[in-house]
Amino acid sequence: EPEVTQTPSHQVTQMGQEVILRCVPISNHLYFYWYRQILGQKVEFLVSFYNNEISEKSEIFDDQFSVERPDGSNFTLKIRSTKLEDSAMYFCASSEGTSYGYTFGSGTRLTVV
Amino acid sequence: KNEVEQSPQNLTAQEGEFITINCSYSVGISALHWLQQHPGGGIVSLFMLSSGKKKHGRLIATINIQEKHSSLHITASHPRDSAVYICAVRYETGNQFYFGTGTSLTVIP
Repeated sequence: EPEVTQTPSHQVTQMGQEVILRCVPISNHLYFYWYRQILGQKVEFLVSFYNNEISEKSEIFDDQFSVERPDGSNFTLKIRSTKLEDSAMYFCASSEGTSYGYTFGSGTRLTVV
Repeated sequence: KNEVEQSPQNLTAQEGEFITINCSYSVGISALHWLQQHPGGGIVSLFMLSSGKKKHGRLIATINIQEKHSSLHITASHPRDSAVYICAVRYETGNQFYFGTGTSLTVIP
């Protein structure tokens, strides 16, 4: 069964450093998403991406965050200057369309120290 | 707007029991997603519903649009069903899903 692949599975970074989280969505999917889950809290929406542009973003997704689909297969989330409160599990998801369910990646656990 | 409530928060059941997890939301939705999150953190989509009922193996999901309520049922529960079950809704405006806090299920042999 097709999978959404996320790398790395775990990243530790120093506060203020830039991090790039990578995702390879399912190849025929058109919609891509980033969600995050702070430990012990619920999953929160960050951003959705369609047709090579952001279609929707939450208040969390401020200027420190950016997304890119650089080569038609990868979908990346960049955090420019990480803060302690960015520590969370970051999930990438993709779907064929808005009427379809999501396929989630296994997540990247980001720890900012 | 972003109110997705699940009950119970925690549930312990004996193997073989019939389990029901509930989800209610506050305004009209275009879709509702039931997801399973394992202890390692990975999330698996179980169902996406906009009306009626769906069944997959021992799992059944129902939704009542008028009452703004959905249920996830597990028949003949098994220890491997132990996980957090999450309800997420997409409102009529917008494309993002809003997640509930999840129901932690433990099935004891």
